[in-house]
Amino acid sequence: QSVLTQPPSVSAAPGQKVTISCSGSSSNIGNNYVSWYQQLPGTAPKLLIYDNNKRPSGIPDRFSGSKSGTSATLGITGLQTGDEADYYCGTWDSSLSAAVFGGGTQLTVL
Amino acid sequence: EVQLVQSGAEVKKPGATVKISCKVSGYTFTDYYMHWVQQAPGKGLEWMGLVDPEDGETIYAEKFQGRVTITADTSTDTAYMELSSLRSEDTAVYYCATGRRMIVANWFDPWGQGTLVTVSS
Repeated sequence: QSVLTQPPSVSAAPGQKVTISCSGSSSNIGNNYVSWYQQLPGTAPKLLIYDNNKRPSGIPDRFSGSKSGTSATLGITGLQTGDEADYYCGTWDSSLSAAVFGGGTQLTVL
Repeated sequence: EVQLVQSGAEVKKPGATVKISCKVSGYTFTDYYMHWVQQAPGKGLEWMGLVDPEDGETIYAEKFQGRVTITADTSTDTAYMELSSLRSEDTAVYYCATGRRMIVANWFDPWGQGTLVTVSS
């Protein structure tokens, strides 16, 4: 059981938009910053979003992040088949004194 | 170019100990924390712990406390993760990942390529 809750899977057609939710609590998302990671099949995770809504250089603006209260959301617009991957949210949990991840969401671009 | 290069795959027997290395290049090793993350086959990411290369201080996840040791060698800019009393459930890919010093605004970037550890009798 992950500390952060994500939907196991989402899907959408090419060119469409999808959102992935990440739900936590006041000890993690509610008071700390959220980051998002993309893991393509067979590869290491890659940072997509940090500090709730910032993109590292090289990450297209099709990817966006937001946070409200104890939940965070990753948005992806203009879906491409190359976006098919597992997506993870992560943050620090101040009660556990540990970094925590969501269980991951598998994105299928139909 | 910032790069984390991990040591190669390992096969271990139950009860053994494995030690994985993570060689850093492209940034000042002591400017960031180094984290280790476990990913069992077909499963999600699980944080194991971190080391501050500046002073060697560590924080471990409760699940791995007592079995994991994370260290940093500033003379070679290399971090290590040692996991003892291995069991079949420890079969996984282990990643090192650089993390920001501001822990409440933590992120992991970049990541090593991963090291597969297989525990089998």
